[in-house]
Amino acid sequence: DTAVSQTPKYLVTQMGNDKSIKCEQNLGHDTMYWYKQDSKKFLKIMFSYNNKELIINETVPNRFSPKSPDKAHLNLHINSLELGDSAVYFCASSFQGYEQYFGPGTRLTVT
Amino acid sequence: KQEVTQIPAALSVPEGENLVLNCSFTDSAIYNLQWFRQDPGKGLTSLLLIQSSQREQTSGRLNASLDKSSGRSTLYIAASQPGDSATYLCAVDQGAQKLVFGQGTRLTINP
Repeated sequence: DTAVSQTPKYLVTQMGNDKSIKCEQNLGHDTMYWYKQDSKKFLKIMFSYNNKELIINETVPNRFSPKSPDKAHLNLHINSLELGDSAVYFCASSFQGYEQYFGPGTRLTVT
Repeated sequence: KQEVTQIPAALSVPEGENLVLNCSFTDSAIYNLQWFRQDPGKGLTSLLLIQSSQREQTSGRLNASLDKSSGRSTLYIAASQPGDSATYLCAVDQGAQKLVFGQGTRLTINP
């Protein structure tokens, strides 16, 4: 009965590769988010989608491209991975601006 | 630019004590404030959300207060238990559900 799920949990890849992280929520929420938590544990928003429409797009390299096929899914595709992309990426969801519920995170390591 | 600060960065107390975690923010124009806990290697768990019009929220042994005009929130934990050990994060909603996070307080409850 996982509310917000992410796959994969761990991702190890080499510089220059392209990878995707998937997120799904079964809470019936209308807004989904991607956050990045860096090595110092600082959490920062990257994107948010409301009803499949991009709402927030922070200063993120355009190598990062979110895609929302429907309200329950928000995927993150990353092109030409760099060492500095290594972090934990969290997906979250909410309904009409209320509490945000977070997924378990995807630990991305770029070597 | 909104900045969220949490003090102290780390706190260690014996089991059974009541304790207070502090959160301050620089821009009082917020929609709500949310407290989370994060266990090592895990995602975030929402604890309490306080709307900007509210002064406090309670859930079990947790009580969160909000003083928007002074840019402060506190999380009070009563009768602390070892299971309360985690990192506690506060986040303010700047609008459009854009959460700005503090860097957290790492709490250790000693049996």
